[in-house]
Amino acid sequence: AQRVTQPEKLLSVFKGAPVELKCNYSYSGSPELFWYVQYSRQRLQLLLRHISRESIKGFTADLNKGETSFHLKKPFAQEEDSAMYYCALSPGDTGKLIFGQGTTLQVKP
Amino acid sequence: EAGVAQSPRYKIIEKRQSVAFWCNPISGHATLYWYQQILGQGPKLLIQFQNNGVVDDSQLPKDRFSAERLKGVDSTLKIQPAKLEDSAVYLCASSLRMLERYNEQFFGPGTRLTVL
Repeated sequence: AQRVTQPEKLLSVFKGAPVELKCNYSYSGSPELFWYVQYSRQRLQLLLRHISRESIKGFTADLNKGETSFHLKKPFAQEEDSAMYYCALSPGDTGKLIFGQGTTLQVKP
Repeated sequence: EAGVAQSPRYKIIEKRQSVAFWCNPISGHATLYWYQQILGQGPKLLIQFQNNGVVDDSQLPKDRFSAERLKGVDSTLKIQPAKLEDSAVYLCASSLRMLERYNEQFFGPGTRLTVL
């Protein structure tokens, strides 16, 4: 079965603290994984994708095939990082996305 | 460039009524997706179009939901008749190409449907 699990509904940290948003996936093939973000009153938008291996807004994510995980990390959280974060899996070649349940990140001053 | 447009933004109906949502993707985007997002859950794909053809509608409740993308541009999603459990945000997204797993999807603002 193709599934994405984000075990935390809410993650609350103080400004400057490290952040790790967890994502685990279930997929038998070679996965392509993404993190999408939705800031308050904005549209859902791409944050980063596995294939690009880039850092966006200080966030990085590493694919761990052994643990079937794609956790999102940032060493020092900022208040503007407060948002809803979704991990998503693209199976096959159609481009469709399978989303996790989402994690709300709250960065306190 | 203009983003994905959706209308209406909000809709309240009674159960057993009909409702339709409209989506205009980014110009030139071949692929269009409709997702259903129930409160507290992530978006779930209902249907995917490539130009005006259906690629995937495996999770579309076909007894009550229908969608079309005439001329491969705008799309309409219809629910007839609506049930209480259809209360959700309906998101439209588009991407430049299909058959490319790394495609970024661009999302519209969504239509929030409440079924009473």
